[in-house]
Amino acid sequence: SQTIHQWPATLVQPVGSPLSLECTVEGTSNPNLYWYRQAAGRGLQLLFYSVGIGQISSEVPQNLSASRPQDRQFILSSKKLLLSDSGFYLCAWSEGDSYEQYFGPGTRLTVT
Amino acid sequence: KQEVTQIPAALSVPEGENLVLNCSFTDSATYNLQWFRQDPGKGLTSLLLIQSSQREQTSGRLNASLDKSSGRSTLYIAASQPGDSATYLCAVPMIYNQGGKLIFGQGTELSVKP
Repeated sequence: SQTIHQWPATLVQPVGSPLSLECTVEGTSNPNLYWYRQAAGRGLQLLFYSVGIGQISSEVPQNLSASRPQDRQFILSSKKLLLSDSGFYLCAWSEGDSYEQYFGPGTRLTVT
Repeated sequence: KQEVTQIPAALSVPEGENLVLNCSFTDSATYNLQWFRQDPGKGLTSLLLIQSSQREQTSGRLNASLDKSSGRSTLYIAASQPGDSATYLCAVPMIYNQGGKLIFGQGTELSVKP
């Protein structure tokens, strides 16, 4: 069966510090991968998606970036965090465009 | 541009009641709709996926319907239990998208009282 992992589970970082969140999927190959952010009291916003290694599409202009160094690994990064980057970050995967998306447990990021 | 709306934003019911959550979307060309559950501080759990060729899907006490012509979906929960308390989200793919990107509603926060 397929599983999706995210780490860390929680993170507190000062403004201006770098960020690296990791997501890995097991039990499938060549999945579509997604990063979403859920701000307090708001819905989910798609940040990045990837249909293959090295293929990243950005949905929202921001100081975040994403990379996919391996087939089942998706990384969310920032060189300098802003207060507005605080939120709940969720990674998801699917087998293709019209298939169900499955979400990881999320990372709670607080920028102080 | 696809937009998704969920009504009501919050719902409180006594245990045992049957209930309906509503989801509406603006572009009837959507090719599927997915319902999720989110517990506080947790990730999303997929409940049901309805393809455009289907009118409904069932899983246990859950039944989801899809009416593309009216741009609506409903999630029916039978014999509600306190364990059903959570936020329920619906999502549809961005139209003409590549990669299966989803647009989410704001969710309905359900509380089932014992």
